[in-house]
Amino acid sequence: QVQLQESGPGLVKPSETLSLTCTVSGGSISSYYWSWIRQPPGKGLEWIGYIYYSGSTNYNPSLKSRVTISVDTSKNQFSLKLSSVTAADTAVYYCARRVRFGHYMDVWGKGTTVTVSS
Amino acid sequence: QSALTQPASVSGSPGQSITISCTGTSSDVGSYNLVSWYQQHPGKAPKLMIYEVSKRPSGVSNRFSGSKSGNTASLTISGLQAEDEADYYCCSYAGSSTFPYVFGTGTKVTVL
Repeated sequence: QVQLQESGPGLVKPSETLSLTCTVSGGSISSYYWSWIRQPPGKGLEWIGYIYYSGSTNYNPSLKSRVTISVDTSKNQFSLKLSSVTAADTAVYYCARRVRFGHYMDVWGKGTTVTVSS
Repeated sequence: QSALTQPASVSGSPGQSITISCTGTSSDVGSYNLVSWYQQHPGKAPKLMIYEVSKRPSGVSNRFSGSKSGNTASLTISGLQAEDEADYYCCSYAGSSTFPYVFGTGTKVTVL
C-alpha cells in the first residue's frame, strides 16, 4: 500500500529556511492532494497546506507568507519550504495524502522532528 | 480560523462507551458533513478513524462511530479497550477559499 516518508534536516537555525521532502512509495503521486501538517511539542495538529499533483496549492493563511509547497511527479515527491523560522516552528512535521474527492487525510507519514535553534 | 473545541480529557473503564465532542461554528462543522477523526498514540502519526462525519475506513473497528448535530460533531467509542487509550483529534473542512482545514484541540482518552 501507499507509504509516505518525510526527510530533511532535524535542526534549523533561526531566520533560516526549513526544507522537508516527502517521498511517496507504493503508489502514484498523481490524482491526489498532498498535505503538510505539523504538531508542536505537547500541542495539537496544525494544517500547513496542500498541493495537488498538478501543482495548485492552498496554504494556511497564518503561514502563507513563509510557506512554499512544490511537487516533483517524476520523483514521486513533494516538498515543504518554510522561511524565516523561529523557535515557534519547532514541531513534528507530517506529510499526508488527501483523497481527491474528499476532505480527509487517509495516509500519513511517520513524521519528522524539526528543531529551530542556534 | 479558531481551532475546534474538544474536551481535554475523557476517561472510561474497559467495556464502557465514551463520547468525545468537537464544537465548531456555522462556518465549518455546521456547514459541511466533512468532519474526520484521527487517533494518535504517543510518538506515532495520526490514524484516520472516521471521515465524512460517520464513515469508517476499511480496517477500523466498528466500535468507533461518528455523528453530528448542528455545530458539534461527536466520536463514540463503544466497548472501550486498553488499546483505545490515545489522543483523538477532529478536523473539519471550512470552505475552499482561505482556510480549508481546521483541527480540534485534541482529547486524551484514558482507559481506567
